Amino acid sequence: SQQGEEDPQALSIQEGENATMNCSYKTSINNLQWYRQNSGRGLVHLILIRSNEREKHSGRLRVTLDTSKKSSSLLITASRAADTASYFCATEQDKLIFGTGTRLQVFP
Amino acid sequence: GAVVSQHPSRVICKSGTSVKIECRSLDFQATTMFWYRQFPKKSLMLMATSNEGSKATYEQGVEKDKFLINHASLTLSTLTVTSAHPEDSSFYICSARELRDGNQPQHFGDGTRLSIL
Repeated sequence: SQQGEEDPQALSIQEGENATMNCSYKTSINNLQWYRQNSGRGLVHLILIRSNEREKHSGRLRVTLDTSKKSSSLLITASRAADTASYFCATEQDKLIFGTGTRLQVFP
Repeated sequence: GAVVSQHPSRVICKSGTSVKIECRSLDFQATTMFWYRQFPKKSLMLMATSNEGSKATYEQGVEKDKFLINHASLTLSTLTVTSAHPEDSSFYICSARELRDGNQPQHFGDGTRLSIL
């Protein structure tokens, strides 16, 4: 399977703490993207990082990409209860392949 | 921003029924649309890539006669689940990419929850 792996599978933290999710993939990529999905809903695009970029920020989100290790991380700083959701990485070359996802729960 | 509309959002029907799901790009043209399937608490699995004016490209293990895809215009792709059975119950999500879109994210619909009784 081309599908990427994410860890941890599940993460529970308190509000205010940081959450880090990791993604590993198998093939060469044009870009890597992170998405959020609330239960039973569609996907919300969070951030896209190109293969020639190493780090990208958007608000409380920080994404890193290491193409030599074929891995990426998503850091959510100062988490809020509203950040509770599933987070997926997705790698793109000619099509988008999703990782296995991390279920994040943030307790108030 | 770019919007993808997926309809219906929920379908409940009897076994043996064929179900059509529509995916529309509302404010942009999409030469390519993608169909995904998601089981509960699992990731999205790409089913097929839908190309406007040509046959869809199916991923390995996806039955093309079971999941009929039509991409008749630059703003509409449809997925028809033929003779649906309970094992076809799932969450189906489409996405679309704008024309000449390089390193830009795909735009996703809100999904269709299909329940076959």
